[in-house]
Amino acid sequence: GAGVSQSPRYKVAKRGQDVALRCDPISGHVSLFWYQQALGQGPEFLTYFQNEAQLDKSGLPSDRFFAERPEGSVSTLKIQRTQQEDSAVYLCASSGGASSYNEQFFGPGTRLTVL
Amino acid sequence: QKEVEQDPGPLSVPEGAIVSLNCTYSNSAFQYFMWYRQYSRKGPELLMYTYSSGNKEDGRFTAQVDKSSKYISLFIRDSQPSDSATYLCAMSVNAGGTSYGKLTFGQGTILTVHP
Repeated sequence: GAGVSQSPRYKVAKRGQDVALRCDPISGHVSLFWYQQALGQGPEFLTYFQNEAQLDKSGLPSDRFFAERPEGSVSTLKIQRTQQEDSAVYLCASSGGASSYNEQFFGPGTRLTVL
Repeated sequence: QKEVEQDPGPLSVPEGAIVSLNCTYSNSAFQYFMWYRQYSRKGPELLMYTYSSGNKEDGRFTAQVDKSSKYISLFIRDSQPSDSATYLCAMSVNAGGTSYGKLTFGQGTILTVHP
C-alpha cells in the first residue's frame, strides 16, 4: 500500500475486555512507533520498534499494554482488561532510511472507546 | 509542566489573514522541529521540519526556530478555508529512521479559516 494502514478504524470495548490493534507500516520502513492521542490533546509516545526489536517502551502507561512486531513489519498493540481511561485514538507511524531527516508517516489511527 | 507547550486556541481568522502559531519547549536536547497538520479523523501529516535554529519557507508557510529562547513558530500567509485543521508542533532529539526519532508533541491548535 501507499501509506500506513491501521485496523480496525473504530473499536468499542466493554470495560475489562482485551483489544488488539493492528498497524501495517510502509513497506521497508525500519522504524515503527505507537502513539496515544486523547481527545483535544497531541499524540503521546507509547513505544518504538526498530525492525522486530522493541527498543523503547517507556511510554506504555501500564503493564496492561503490550506491543509486538515479530517479523519486523506488521505490529500489534494489545490492551488487556481495558479501562475507561484507555479511550483514545491510537496512532501508528513508520519511518525509514538514514537521511539527514527521516519523516514519520502516520496512519489514520484506531479510535478506541471503552464503555 | 509538559516538555512542549502549545496554545490550544481555538483560532478563527478570515480568509487571507496571516496566521501565527507557536510553541515553547523545555528540553534543550531537541534538535529537530516539526509542524504537523491533522484533519478531523485523520492522522497527522508533516508540513515542515527545521533542523536547529533558523527559518524555513515553503510556499505560504514559514517555520522559525529560536533555540536560545526555546520557541518555535509557524506562519501561514494568505490563509485559505482548506487550511482549517489542527496544527501540532513536534520535536525530536534524533533524525529518525535508523537513528530513532521519537516525537514529543504540543497539544495542538485548532484553526478555522472562514470565507
